[in-house]
Amino acid sequence: AQSVTQLDSQVPVFEEAPVELRCNYSSSVSVYLFWYVQYPNQGLQLLLKYLSGSTLVKGINGFEAEFNKSQTSFHLRKPSVHISDTAEYFCAVSEAGTSYDKVIFGPGTSLSVIP
Amino acid sequence: DGGITQSPKYLFRKEGQNVTLSCEQNLNHDAMYWYRQDPGQGLRLIYYSQIVNDFQKGDIAEGYSVSREKKESFPLTVTSAQKNPTAFYLCASSLRHDSGNTIYFGEGSWLTVV
Repeated sequence: AQSVTQLDSQVPVFEEAPVELRCNYSSSVSVYLFWYVQYPNQGLQLLLKYLSGSTLVKGINGFEAEFNKSQTSFHLRKPSVHISDTAEYFCAVSEAGTSYDKVIFGPGTSLSVIP
Repeated sequence: DGGITQSPKYLFRKEGQNVTLSCEQNLNHDAMYWYRQDPGQGLRLIYYSQIVNDFQKGDIAEGYSVSREKKESFPLTVTSAQKNPTAFYLCASSLRHDSGNTIYFGEGSWLTVV
């Protein structure tokens, strides 16, 4: 069965510093991988997704993630964070070619950017 | 602007009452979803619909009901059978049900049982 682990529930970081939010998954088949951002009291917004091809995926707001099949990871990175990046970030996984009822969401990582 | 509209944003329910959360989308998407979000947990799927007049249970459907009479509308009813309904509810839609399609979320509805 698939599962998603986000190792850090909270990540504080100073403004303009780099950040990495970690995501590991377990699956025995090919996967799709997603990162979503949720600002307070709002819905989720897709940051980026990996379906196939290049393992380095660039998304919105200067974020990128790298798919590492051998380590079953899909860590999210940003070289320099801004106050406006303070939000909850969710990693999600599904088996490639399956449907949204099979998408598994991680518990989320709360990113706090300190001025 | 195209998007997903959820209403109301905040709702209070007395124990024993049914309440209905509205979800409307003007993206012309075939698939629609309802998720429940609790603090410190990921999203859990309540119901989904791939096409008008058809819907399926998700992982936590007990105590909830839905309808899909129109393509753009997918209301969720939280019934009195739902033992712990206080949560943040998110409606979403995607062009197709394949997870390779981007999913779009509404801004959510807070339900509190008083």
